[in-house]
Amino acid sequence: AQTVTQSQPEMSVQEAETVTLSCTYDTSESDYYLFWYKQPPSRQMILVIRQEAYKQQNATENRFSVNFQKAAKSFSLKISDSQLGDAAMYFCAYRSATGANSKLTFGKGITLSVRP
Amino acid sequence: NAGVMQNPRHLVRRRGQEARLRCSPMKGHSHVYWYRQLPEEGLKFMVYLQKENIIDESGMPKERFSAEFPKEGPSILRIQQVVRGDSAAYFCASSPRGPWDTGELFFGEGSRLTVL
Repeated sequence: AQTVTQSQPEMSVQEAETVTLSCTYDTSESDYYLFWYKQPPSRQMILVIRQEAYKQQNATENRFSVNFQKAAKSFSLKISDSQLGDAAMYFCAYRSATGANSKLTFGKGITLSVRP
Repeated sequence: NAGVMQNPRHLVRRRGQEARLRCSPMKGHSHVYWYRQLPEEGLKFMVYLQKENIIDESGMPKERFSAEFPKEGPSILRIQQVVRGDSAAYFCASSPRGPWDTGELFFGEGSRLTVL
């Protein structure tokens, strides 16, 4: 079974600074997706960024980028120029790309606070 | 272009009552997933359904919980004889099938169940 591990329960960053959130996963599959979801106090799950395992290039979305290390099974999220609105829980998630096991598996999440 | 719709947003039940949570997937999506989030925890997979079929119920408690996704109408997560430990946020997500599946799951805003 696939597992996702987020070992840091909390992190804090100064506004306008850069922060990196860590995530590791375990799988025997070669074709899969990785995601970072943001959950603000409203509890809405918001997709931040998505990575396809077969792509070597790291995904980027504006101030958000990932460092995807497939061999190490590591998938960290870097937030540049942090803003107050970035404060939220962040969840790393894994999903198989084969149809047989299509559920999304989440890590425990990390609470990010942004200091003004 | 409505997203995933869940209702009710908040539900209060007394111990022993039944709770029914509804989820209408995004238009064109035929796959529905239910997740449970306990306070200060991540999302735990419960069940994955396609129209009229349960595909994966490996995360469903063996008793009191059931889910369906009929040919017509929303998906229903049903909890019978609720206990205080069932108090949680229940999230529904949907995805399209086949070539339209980009890997992402689209989440509703969740239904918060409180058991008194």
